[in-house]
Amino acid sequence: EAGVAQSPRYKIIEKRQSVAFWCNPISGHATLYWYQQILGQGPKLLIQFQNNGVVDDSQLPKDRFSAERLKGVDSTLKIQPAKLEDSAVYLCASSSRSSYNEQFFGPGTRLTVL
Amino acid sequence: AQSVTQLDSHVSVSEGTPVLLRCNYSSSYSPSLFWYVQHPNKGLQLLLKYTSAATLVKGINGFEAEFKKSETSFHLTKPSAHMSDAAEYFCVVTRTGGATNKLIFGTGTLLAVQP
Repeated sequence: EAGVAQSPRYKIIEKRQSVAFWCNPISGHATLYWYQQILGQGPKLLIQFQNNGVVDDSQLPKDRFSAERLKGVDSTLKIQPAKLEDSAVYLCASSSRSSYNEQFFGPGTRLTVL
Repeated sequence: AQSVTQLDSHVSVSEGTPVLLRCNYSSSYSPSLFWYVQHPNKGLQLLLKYTSAATLVKGINGFEAEFKKSETSFHLTKPSAHMSDAAEYFCVVTRTGGATNKLIFGTGTLLAVQP
C-alpha cells in the first residue's frame, strides 16, 4: 500500500511570509497527525484529527498556525506569518482504528525561515 | 503526565558489536512504548512496540527491547551492529487505551557504526 505522502519536501521562505504544507494519509486511515521536529529534538505533536474533527490541538500556536482536513482525507498545515523559530521538519502521520497506537509517518517537509 | 528520557544523545559502536540504546520512561498510566528509527531524509519507521503483552519485544532488523516496570526502562538492543543501522533512534511513550494516542518522543539517540 502507498505510504503517507507529503509535499513539498523542502521550502525556504523569509520571515513574515506564509507557507502551506500538504499531507495525504494512507488510504482508510481515519486519524491524521501533524508534528513539528526542530533540529536536535524529537517530534512534537501540533494537531490530531479524527476524520475531519480536531481531537487535540493543545500545542498548536494558533496565532500563526492553522490546519484543516475538510473532507476527512488529506490535510493542509499553514503558517502565517512565519518566524525564524518555525524552521523545522513538519511531519505528517496517520493511523487506523485497527492499529490505533501505530502511526505511519511521511517523509516530512523541511522548512527554512530566513 | 508522560515523558521519556534517552540517556545518550550519541552512541558509537563498531560493526559486528552489540548495540544498547537506553530509555527511561515516566507515566501516570499504563504505558505503551515504542522505538522509532529515522534515517537521514527519510520518514520515521516503527522498529518495535510494547503494549502490555510480552515484556520482551522483538522488532525488525534484529532489534529487541525489554520492558522493565521496576526500573521504568525500555532499552533497545541488537546483538550485532550493521553499517545500515546508523541512524537516529527515538524512544516514544503513549497512554494505553487513552482517548488520544498522542506520542511523546524522547530527544533521540544518534547511532554511529564504525567499520
